[in-house]
Amino acid sequence: DAGVIQSPRHEVTEMGQEVTLRCKPISGHDYLFWYRQTMMRGLELLIYFNNNVPIDDSGMPEDRFSAKMPNASFSTLKIQPSEPRDSAVYFCASSLWASGGASPHGQFFGPGTRLTVL
Amino acid sequence: GQSLEQPSEVTAVEGAIVQINCTYQTSGFYGLSWYQQHDGGAPTFLSYNALDGLEETGRFSSFLSRSDSYGYLLLQELQMKDSASYFCAVRVNDSWGKLQFGAGTQVVVTP
Repeated sequence: DAGVIQSPRHEVTEMGQEVTLRCKPISGHDYLFWYRQTMMRGLELLIYFNNNVPIDDSGMPEDRFSAKMPNASFSTLKIQPSEPRDSAVYFCASSLWASGGASPHGQFFGPGTRLTVL
Repeated sequence: GQSLEQPSEVTAVEGAIVQINCTYQTSGFYGLSWYQQHDGGAPTFLSYNALDGLEETGRFSSFLSRSDSYGYLLLQELQMKDSASYFCAVRVNDSWGKLQFGAGTQVVVTP
């Protein structure tokens, strides 16, 4: 089975541009998570969905960030306008309903998108 | 609030045993998870402990003491490929799907 798929793997953009990151979760998983990882702040949860519905977006840094999940097999994270401080690796992860955040099954992470904003 | 503490780095030689400790503070406890992340890679789930005791999976074991708010990950028969960062994580009390990760422990395995 394919794991979590993310695209693009690398993105370099200029400040002020719109950035869209994409994620396809593992089929059958109904939790989807967006994380950001930096050296300074570590691994931070931005938002998560359950059955395509956003449940907790308290980690979204500001209004420039938005996320959608139009169906069970696709989600996007958009940054508009982007700023240099948004440079990070963005991970998407998915898990089964019985697991949620913590379970014997864990969360399955995609390969990440390395974003550089110049 | 919640917090997790783990050492920043541990160095050991091939074949040795390494223990990575994690202490946590949380208003409600729902289990301790461990993840491995190689440089440039994605976090990979290793183990989960909800009850006190030791869980063994091959060369890796994870232990939990709920009364002490403490757990550890034990890496045995260290191999070069075990060089990675290891994160402990707990579920945030008021948000079913939300995990809080520790800062990570960099394990360096030397020949």
